[in-house]
Amino acid sequence: AQSVTQLGSHVSVSEGALVLLRCNYSSSVPPYLFWYVQYPNQGLQLLLKYTSAATLVKGINGFEAEFKKSETSFHLTKPSAHMSDAAEYFCAVSGSDSWGKFQFGAGTQVVVTP
Amino acid sequence: KAGVTQTPRYLIKTRGQQVTLSCSPISGHRSVSWYQQTPGQGLQFLFEYFSETQRNKGNFPGRFSGRQFSNSRSEMNVSTLELGDSALYLCASSPRGAKEETQYFGPGTRLLVL
Repeated sequence: AQSVTQLGSHVSVSEGALVLLRCNYSSSVPPYLFWYVQYPNQGLQLLLKYTSAATLVKGINGFEAEFKKSETSFHLTKPSAHMSDAAEYFCAVSGSDSWGKFQFGAGTQVVVTP
Repeated sequence: KAGVTQTPRYLIKTRGQQVTLSCSPISGHRSVSWYQQTPGQGLQFLFEYFSETQRNKGNFPGRFSGRQFSNSRSEMNVSTLELGDSALYLCASSPRGAKEETQYFGPGTRLLVL
């Protein structure tokens, strides 16, 4: 079975500061990992995904994530936060028993302060 | 391409009633997955359909059911509604439901059970 753990349910960052959202996964098979963002009253939008092609993955809106097998991590970063980054972020994993099934982390709410 | 659409967007029901939610996937996508999102439990997988067949199912009671039509549109039904069924119901589509594929989410249907 696969699972993900997101450390920190709330993160507050200053505008222009580094955004770092942590995700650790558990998987018995090579995982496929995803980061999604959810704005209020909306569905989930894909930021980026890891599918074993490259360990450093670049996504939309300046976000990137690095897959570290030794640490079973897939942390999301953005060098400089913008007010529009205020949203909830979810890490997800799919795996061997997962036709159409993602296992999501609990989510991290990001607040950006001026 | 048009995105995933869900109808209705908002719904208010009373305990004991039943409800049907609809999801139209991205054109060409044959896999539709459903998720329940609540503040307490987060995002939980309900089930996945592909070519009118349920291939995967989450840990929900039998009151939750679904189906898929030949045009890949999907419906989910909840019978004998309980207060705890109040949630945002999200559907997502992908070409085949394979583990490496991105799932594209609709805006969700927000269900309130009174």
